Amino acid sequence: DSGVTQTPKHLITATGQRVTLRCSPRSGDLSVYWYQQSLDQGLQFLIQYYNGEERAKGNILERFSAQQFPDLHSELNLSSLELGDSALYFCASRKSSGSENEQFFGPGTRLTVL
Amino acid sequence: ILNVEQSPQSLHVQEGDSTNFTCSFPSSNFYALHWYRWETAKSPEALFVMTLNGDEKKKGRISATLNTKEGYSYLYIKGSQPEDSATYLCASLRIQGAQKLVFGQGTRLTINP
Repeated sequence: DSGVTQTPKHLITATGQRVTLRCSPRSGDLSVYWYQQSLDQGLQFLIQYYNGEERAKGNILERFSAQQFPDLHSELNLSSLELGDSALYFCASRKSSGSENEQFFGPGTRLTVL
Repeated sequence: ILNVEQSPQSLHVQEGDSTNFTCSFPSSNFYALHWYRWETAKSPEALFVMTLNGDEKKKGRISATLNTKEGYSYLYIKGSQPEDSATYLCASLRIQGAQKLVFGQGTRLTINP
C-alpha cells in the first residue's frame, strides 16, 4: 500500500459524458501527478500540481482539467469523453524537494468509455 | 535521444538465471533517473532513484547502474525468481523549468519456473 488513494476504482460511462477522478496523496506529500496509460502505450504524464498550484503540464487534452485543493487532494476532470479516453489513470504523489524522491503511485482508476 | 527508450520490450528468463535490460535517456539537462517495478493488476512501485554519474544502487538481488554522460542505465536481476515477473519502467527527469518524469515503454520480464 503506497499511501496514495484513488477513487473510484472503475468507471464506465458513455461518450460525451463528464467524469471526475479523485486522488488523495500520501500524508505530507505536496506534489500530485496525473498519468494516463492507454492500451499499448506507456505511462503518459498529464499534469502536476504542487501545493495547490499547477506546476507542469504534459500531453493533457483541452477537454481535461485538474485541480488540487487546500487539503492537497486532487481531482482530474475529463469532459466530452471519447472512446479513445478509455484508459487507466494513475495519480502519484511525491515530497516536494530533492531530486532523490521517488513518486508513489495510487492503485489507479480504470475508465471505460462506451 | 529525445525520448526514453527501453530494451528489450519483453524478456523470458529461466528461474535462477541472471538478466539485465537497458534504459536510454536524453543526457542533456539530466536531473534524475527513476526505475519502477510494475506488477500486473498493481501500481508502479519505485525501485531506485539515481542522480549521479557512475552511481550504482542495489536492493536485494536487483541492482542498477547509471551513465549520465552517454545517457543509459542498466538494471540487473541476479538469480531470477518467479516473483520478479513484472514490467520494469525507467523514467527520466530533466531540468527544463518544469520537471516532469518521462517514462519509457517498459521491459516486460517473465520468469519461467
